[in-house]
Amino acid sequence: KQEVTQIPAALSVPEGENLVLNCSFTDSAIYNLQWFRQDPGKGLTSLLLIQSSQREQTSGRLNASLDKSSGRSTLYIAASQPGDSATYLCAVSNTGTASKLTFGTGTRLQVTL
Amino acid sequence: SAVISQKPSRDICQRGTSLTIQCQVDSQVTMMFWYRQQPGQSLTLIATANQGSEATYESGFVIDKFPISRPNLTFSTLTVSNMSPEDSSIYLCSVEEPRGEPQHFGDGTRLSIL
Repeated sequence: KQEVTQIPAALSVPEGENLVLNCSFTDSAIYNLQWFRQDPGKGLTSLLLIQSSQREQTSGRLNASLDKSSGRSTLYIAASQPGDSATYLCAVSNTGTASKLTFGTGTRLQVTL
Repeated sequence: SAVISQKPSRDICQRGTSLTIQCQVDSQVTMMFWYRQQPGQSLTLIATANQGSEATYESGFVIDKFPISRPNLTFSTLTVSNMSPEDSSIYLCSVEEPRGEPQHFGDGTRLSIL
C-alpha cells in the first residue's frame, strides 16, 4: 500500500526566502506525482505534474524534482511571497491503479512580511 | 482545463439525514473521482464514478453509505447517507482528462453534522 509523507508539517518563513518542501513515498512504482496548493476553505489547485520518466518540472517560481528510485520529490519555491501562504500537498498515482491519487499529509506554509 | 462546479458549497445537517452533493463539469470527461478530507487531514479517495455502471469504491467505503451516480460524462452526484458527526468533512470531486494529465478539483462541499 502506497504511503506518502511530507516534511515539514508546517513552515514559517520571511518574505523573499527560497524554500524547499519535501515529499516521500514508499512504493516507487508510480505513474506520476502531482503537487497541489490548497487555500483555507477552498479546493485544490494543481501546481505541477511530473511523469515517472521525468526528473523535474518548472512553472514560474516553482520547481519540482522527482527521484523515483529513492521515493522522493521536492518542491522548490523561489523568492517566496505572502501570497504563497497555503497548504501544499503532494500526491502520487501508481501504475496499474488507474488515476487514483494517494495524498501526503501536507505542509502548511506561512510567508510573513 | 476543465471547470468543475460543486453544489452545495457548504451545509449544516442533522444527524440521521442524507445529503446529495452535485459535481458538474463544463466538458466531457472519462475519469471522475470523489474524495473526502476530514478536519486537519489530507484527502482520501472514496470512489471512482463510472459512467453507466456502478462506482468503484475504495477500502473502507461502501455503496450504502456513499451512493454515487454518474448519468453522463459531465455530471455526478455523491450522497452521504444517515449522517453522523464523524461524516463532518470536506467532500471534493475531481476529474482527469485525458489519462495522465493533472487532476483538477472542484472547490469542495464543507459538510457539518450536528
